[in-house]
Amino acid sequence: DAKTTQPTSMDCAEGRAANLPCNHSTISGNEYVYWYRQIHSQGPQYIIHGLKNNETNEMASLIITEDRKSSTLILPHATLRDTAVYYCTFTGNQFYFGTGTSLTVIP
Amino acid sequence: GAGVSQSPSNKVTEKGKDVELRCDPISGHTALYWYRQSLGQGLEFLIYFQGNSAPDKSGLPSDRFSAERTGGSVSTLTIQRTQQEDSAVYLCASSKQGFLGEKLFFGSGTQLSVL
Repeated sequence: DAKTTQPTSMDCAEGRAANLPCNHSTISGNEYVYWYRQIHSQGPQYIIHGLKNNETNEMASLIITEDRKSSTLILPHATLRDTAVYYCTFTGNQFYFGTGTSLTVIP
Repeated sequence: GAGVSQSPSNKVTEKGKDVELRCDPISGHTALYWYRQSLGQGLEFLIYFQGNSAPDKSGLPSDRFSAERTGGSVSTLTIQRTQQEDSAVYLCASSKQGFLGEKLFFGSGTQLSVL
């Protein structure tokens, strides 16, 4: 089964970088990695996606390993509003979101 | 519209009743997805519509669940003879062209409670 593996939960101090890992060892060469987050009581929100190269936008950075079997989402300066569940998925697995990582940003 | 709209936002029903949940995708988006999220769980894929193609129903958990999409826009998810285990948040998402790998835009969901 094409699946992703993420830690169940993580804590991060406010103002520090939050690094959220994801394993996607079954990803194929032309499939994109996507990250979403879900804040309580809302639908998931797109954050960032990438294929091979590292990507950065106004929300986060995405680091993809050379073999593409894993990636890390980086929130460079976490705020309390970044407390959410973070999901990674990939193109060929578009329909599977798993249980994600529950990130708690601590004041 | 500005985003994906779902209605109602909350639905309480009695066991055995039928319910209909509605999703209005972003205007012009050809692909539409339904997911279910039980308390404390991840998103469970239910069904996927892409343009005029036959929908991918592979995620529907039983024949009590069905969905249709009229005119390539609005979609209705119907659950017949509801059971308590159907209680969950039902999320709808749309994407522009439906190619696998496009980013999804989600609605805020319908919280269904079956008593």
